[in-house]
Amino acid sequence: SQQGEEDPQALSIQEGENATMNCSYKTSINNLQWYRQNSGRGLVHLILIRSNEREKHSGRLRVTLDTSKKSSSLLITASRAADTASYFCAIEGGNTGKLIFGQGTTLQVKP
Amino acid sequence: KAGVTQTPRYLIKTRGQQVTLSCSPISGHRSVSWYQQTPGQGLQFLFEYFSETQRNKGNFPGRFSGRQFSNSRSEMNVSTLELGDSALYLCASSSSAGGSYNEQFFGPGTRLTVL
Repeated sequence: SQQGEEDPQALSIQEGENATMNCSYKTSINNLQWYRQNSGRGLVHLILIRSNEREKHSGRLRVTLDTSKKSSSLLITASRAADTASYFCAIEGGNTGKLIFGQGTTLQVKP
Repeated sequence: KAGVTQTPRYLIKTRGQQVTLSCSPISGHRSVSWYQQTPGQGLQFLFEYFSETQRNKGNFPGRFSGRQFSNSRSEMNVSTLELGDSALYLCASSSSAGGSYNEQFFGPGTRLTVL
């Protein structure tokens, strides 16, 4: 399966700490995307990183991609209570518009 | 620009019935994808439409179907509902032709409960 696998499944930290989530996948990809979902609502796009990129930043978010290891990580710095959500990685492997999602990491940030 | 909208937001049906869900993409977006989210299976791809054509389909039975109209709005239909069809159905739109380097924008979802 191409499905991304995320680690850890759950993460609980204090406000101000950094949170790191990892995603591994099995096949070649065109791009890898990270999404956030608050309590069973719609997904919010965070970052898209292309297969020829190694790192991208967006505000307090930093994403890395290692295609040789078929893995990606999402770092949220200086976390806030509002960052509490589920985070999903999704891989896009071809010109299909089809995203394959991981099972997600549930992040709880305690005030 | 207005975001992706989905209607209805909540729906309760009984087994055996059919249901139609609607999705309006972001203006100018021609690609619309549908996903099913359940606690057990997570987020799973249903199908993707571009310019009224289904270009890709996930591993769902034929009871799940969809279509796209000339204005890019899309509908998905589930016939002969089963209890296991209870899920959050998410629609996403993107600006590209489904190629590389495009991000997808998701709607709030339709929560379907089958009794």
